[in-house]
Amino acid sequence: NAGVMQNPRHLVRRRGQEARLRCSPMKGHSHVYWYRQLPEEGLKFMVYLQKENIIDESGMPKERFSAEFPKEGPSILRIQQVVRGDSAAYFCASSGGEGNEQYFGPGTRLTVT
Amino acid sequence: AQSVTQLGSHVSVSEGALVLLRCNYSSSVPPYLFWYVQYPNQGLQLLLKYTTGATLVKGINGFEAEFKKSETSFHLTKPSAHMSDAAEYFCAVSEAGRRALTFGSGTRLQVQP
Repeated sequence: NAGVMQNPRHLVRRRGQEARLRCSPMKGHSHVYWYRQLPEEGLKFMVYLQKENIIDESGMPKERFSAEFPKEGPSILRIQQVVRGDSAAYFCASSGGEGNEQYFGPGTRLTVT
Repeated sequence: AQSVTQLGSHVSVSEGALVLLRCNYSSSVPPYLFWYVQYPNQGLQLLLKYTTGATLVKGINGFEAEFKKSETSFHLTKPSAHMSDAAEYFCAVSEAGRRALTFGSGTRLQVQP
């Protein structure tokens, strides 16, 4: 049973470009969460999605960031016009319908040059 | 709003010694509590969780934690440290009914031979 998969593992973008991060949840999981980890800090919640719905986006920056979890395919975290402050590790987690246990992917490390 | 405080960003112990990693939380409602471990350049792995019931929770790799409501604490312990325990440990909390996790800033555990 494959775990949470994220790609790419490493992503380098120049300032002003777009970054697209993908997350495939564990088989049977329909809840996806995105977290951001800045260097030397803990993870900060960004957004919680179910299929085709954003449930909680209280941690998402108001501009440039968006997330989706379509009926088919992976969840996408999209960052437009990246800036150096967006450099971080972005982790995706998934969970099933019951309980709060979240399983994390290996993360995507975004570097903005 | 809930928050998590991990006392000590770095903890160093000798191999075979007791491991104690501290976590205090604030929450307006009874929380769910978690400990995760992160190895370098990897995602987070769940060590253990407390939701309801017995306040002493046993996890993987010989770790356990005790929920003490009166002290709002959920400290992580292991009787005898192993070299492979060297990693970063994160305490996290979520409120019942809300799935977003709030993480502490992490404690880096070093194990000396």
